[in-house]
This record gives sequence, C-alpha cells and structure tokens, in this order.
Amino acid sequence: GQSLEQPSEVTAVEGAIVQINCTYQTSGFYGLSWYQQHDGGAPTFLSYNALDGLEETGRFSSFLSRSDSYGYLLLQELQMKDSASYFCAVRIAMDTGRRALTFGSGTRLQVQP
Amino acid sequence: DGGITQSPKYLFRKEGQNVTLSCEQNLNHDAMYWYRQDPGQGLRLIYYSQIVNDFQKGDIAEGYSVSREKKESFPLTVTSAQKNPTAFYLCASNGGSRDGEQFFGPGTRLTVL
Repeated sequence: GQSLEQPSEVTAVEGAIVQINCTYQTSGFYGLSWYQQHDGGAPTFLSYNALDGLEETGRFSSFLSRSDSYGYLLLQELQMKDSASYFCAVRIAMDTGRRALTFGSGTRLQVQP
Repeated sequence: DGGITQSPKYLFRKEGQNVTLSCEQNLNHDAMYWYRQDPGQGLRLIYYSQIVNDFQKGDIAEGYSVSREKKESFPLTVTSAQKNPTAFYLCASNGGSRDGEQFFGPGTRLTVL
C-alpha cells in the first residue's frame, strides 16, 4: 500500500515563508504533485515533480528527493488568500498498471495578518 | 471555456436509495477519476477510467459503480450498499500532457438522510 505523511496544520504571518513537508512510502512511484483547496472548493493543481530538485512557479516552489522519499512545498511572500488546505499526492502505478494519484490527508495553512 | 462540470452541487437522498452523480468534461481528456472527500480528510480514489468503455476500481470502490460510454462523461452511482455515503464527491480528468496534473470539477456534496 501507500502512505503519505504531512503536517495537519501550519500557521504563518502575512509576508512570511512557509514550508510544508511530505514524506511518502509507495511502490511504482512516478512523481509528486501538490494541490491547493480552499474551504468548500475543488482542489487546484500547483506543481508536479518527477525528477529530483526544485521547481519554481511564481511565489510557490516544490522540491523532490526520490532517494529520501521526501518533498516539500515552499510558499513565499504569504498572502491572506493563501489560507487553504494543501495536499501532496503521489503519482503511482496501480495494480492494473495504469497510473493514478494517491493523496495525503492535507495540511491546513492559516495565514495571519 | 473548457472544463469539468458536476451536477448537482448539493444532493439529498433518503437512506436505501441509489443516486447517480454527473460528471462531464469538454477538455478532450482520456482519463477521468472519481474521489470521495470526508471532512478534514484527503481525497480517496473510488474509480478511474483511462479510456472509453474501460474503468478500474480504486481504493474504496465498494458500494459504488461507474460507466464510461462516452469520452466526455463518467457518471458515478452511489448504491444502497455504500454504508456511509454522505461525503463530498469530486470528479477529475487528466489529459496526459503533464503527468501529475488533474483538473477537478466543483464537486457534489451528497447528504443521505
């Protein structure tokens, strides 16, 4: 089976930098994705890492270390609108050989003024 | 505008009744997915389909059924066999251009009374 671990809650202030970690145990690993979900809304895609290293997209960056089964999402210059839940998800090969995502339980980020 | 639509947004049913949730996409994506989300939890995969007339069980398929007769449509039926059907149901699709990126519909919140 698969397991993903990420902190349940993180609090930070506006303008700060926050890092949300994700560790995983899985077989058939292809890559690590990050999604943002505001309360009552649908998840929206933020990033995907298939290879080791850092991917930067604006204020958000994502890192992957395949050898450590570890990744993180880095949010810079935090804004109030960044208050949301953030999910890591591993792209894996299912028993059928087809690919799917398995999601972590999510990290609730609260940005304070 | 391309996207995924789910209807209805809110659905109420009596215990013991089957109910079908709609999911339509005009993104020309081959792969479609159904997830269940309970309060404060991550997304759990119910069923997925990589191509028309083909679908596979995910992690929590018991009590659910799907069909994929058209590329654009992937309806989910919640049957009376599902022990605890009250949840937020999310449909997603993936076009393969970026492996870990899924596009989500707005979701259907099902309440069984």
